Amino acid sequence: AQTVTQSQPEMSVQEAETVTLSCTYDTSESDYYLFWYKQPPSRQMILVIRQEAYKQQNATENRFSVNFQKAAKSFSLKISDSQLGDAAMYFCAYSRAGTYKYIFGTGTRLKVLA
Amino acid sequence: DAGVIQSPRHEVTEMGQEVTLRCKPISGHDYLFWYRQTMMRGLELLIYFNNNVPIDDSGMPEDRFSAKMPNASFSTLKIQPSEPRDSAVYFCASSFRIYGYTFGSGTRLTVV
Repeated sequence: AQTVTQSQPEMSVQEAETVTLSCTYDTSESDYYLFWYKQPPSRQMILVIRQEAYKQQNATENRFSVNFQKAAKSFSLKISDSQLGDAAMYFCAYSRAGTYKYIFGTGTRLKVLA
Repeated sequence: DAGVIQSPRHEVTEMGQEVTLRCKPISGHDYLFWYRQTMMRGLELLIYFNNNVPIDDSGMPEDRFSAKMPNASFSTLKIQPSEPRDSAVYFCASSFRIYGYTFGSGTRLTVV
């Protein structure tokens, strides 16, 4: 069975600094998708970034980028120039190609210090 | 686009009562998902639909839970009878293929 592990329950970062959130997953599949979602206190789940497993190039979205290491089954999220609005729970998710079902990690709470 | 719309935002009900949660997906999205979020179990997939047809309901915890999607613009999740352990945030999400879910704002259900 596929699993997603986020080993950091909570992280803190100073405003304008860079922080990296870790995610590892376990799968025997070769074709899958990985996602990072942000859940601020408003409760809304917001898609931050997605990565296709067949793409070697790491995805980037403005200040957000990933380090995708397929062999190591690692998918970390880097947030550059952290802003107060980045404070939220961040969830890593895995989806096997063709299933459309997501398996979520337990989340990492990110605090941004002014 | 108004996004995925869920109602109600909060629901408080007594044990044994029927609860109906509602969801309007984004127009054009062909997949709809119901998730439940709790502190203990995190985000769990309950059921999902493709083109209004239920594809996988293996996550539905008990027969007390049922979901329908009568058309492309509306889905319901019903709990009858409700129990205190059903208290959670219930999310509806829709997607077009695998491009990434768009979640609704969730319904916080409290069963007393």
